[in-house]
Parts: sequence; structure tokens; C-alpha cells
Amino acid sequence: DGGITQSPKYLFRKEGQNVTLSCEQNLNHDAMYWYRQDPGQGLRLIYYSQIVNDFQKGDIAEGYSVSREKKESFPLTVTSAQKNPTAFYLCASSTLAGGHYNEQFFGPGTRLTVL
Amino acid sequence: AQKITQTQPGMFVQEKEAVTLDCTYDTSDPSYGLFWYKQPSSGEMIFLIYQGSYDQQNATEGRYSLNFQKARKSANLVISASQLGDSAMYFCAMREGPGGNDKIIFGKGTRLHILP
Repeated sequence: DGGITQSPKYLFRKEGQNVTLSCEQNLNHDAMYWYRQDPGQGLRLIYYSQIVNDFQKGDIAEGYSVSREKKESFPLTVTSAQKNPTAFYLCASSTLAGGHYNEQFFGPGTRLTVL
Repeated sequence: AQKITQTQPGMFVQEKEAVTLDCTYDTSDPSYGLFWYKQPSSGEMIFLIYQGSYDQQNATEGRYSLNFQKARKSANLVISASQLGDSAMYFCAMREGPGGNDKIIFGKGTRLHILP
């Protein structure tokens, strides 16, 4: 089945540690995105990538880093510089249609808790 | 200023009734797209419906329809004949920007509770 997978589902991290969240898609989509969701809030864009080896900062990129070495994969690293990393992280992908990136398809999410 | 506004933080609706979830947006871009997503308690975001700014007719997908009023900049989601499984968070979102440089902006969401 085509889709987006994220791992792990739950992640616990000690303060001061970096941690990497995995996102893989087999939809052959060009664009991939990382969002952060805090309780009772909407989604905020962290980073996005529309092509391999290229990515752009979203609205809240500080304390995060990404790479896009393969079309299928867009891992997110939460660094120790991120002051409040406990949140739900969602990865998404989309493809060009009619000159625009349209609906995004989401993975199941990773819930990160800093102890 | 918020680009997507959902004024109803929570709603309670009796099963089988129709539901309207409000969404207003703000953009000066003539080309944009509007989306609705459903987020059940499992957390995954499920795409429901899309409306392009140049689409002449309101979008429909099964029990979902989008009441698009361009002059008012509103894009309300209508769910007909609500079911218990419709209980979830619902997010309105907007894509703006020139083709190939799009970002999607999400509202804060409305939590819908369907009562038996």
C-alpha cells in the first residue's frame, strides 16, 4: 500500500540530547513537510522540501534540522537548541498538480516527550 | 494577523443532524486553495475536501461539502447526516503563493462532538 510512515510512534528524550524522527513515503511525491502540533493547537510548519537536496525553513525552524538525500525520505532532527520540544510531530507529502502543490497526505505522527 | 480563522473551538451536535463548521481566510493572492482536514483522536490528519479559488462550483465529497463564499472570504465545511464517527478535530487550511512555492497554513481547529 502507498503511504507515509513515521517512526517511532512515541519517543522519549532526555534534555540536552538530539533526536531524529523518521519519515518515509512511497507515493512518489516531490514535496515533503514537517509540522509541529501542540495540544489544542493547529499545525505549524517547521521545514519543507520540494526537491531532493533542497529544503526551506518554515515558520518555526529554530532548533530543528532536516535533510533530503532521497526523494522518499525526509528525517527531522530535534536538537538540544529547541527549548520546548515536547509536541506531536506530523510529516506530510504532496505532489504538483496544475502548477500547485495541492492536498497533503499525512503520516500517523510521532509524539515526542522530553523528560 | 491570522490568515485562517476558525471561531468555534468546540461544537456539540446530535447524531444525524447537519453540521456547519466555520472558516474565514485572509489573502491578497488571487490564486489560492482551501482544504479541510479531519483529525481523530489517533492523531492522523485525514484530507476531506478541496476548493480552488477559481472553481465555479462548491466542492462536494460524499457527505462533505464546502460552502465557498469568495466575496466574504469564507469556506465553511458542511457535514450532512452526522455520524458518531465524525467526532474529531477539524482543521481548515489555505494554500497560497505562486505555483511551485506553496505553503499551507492551518487554522486552530474546531473540536466536533457528535451526541448519540
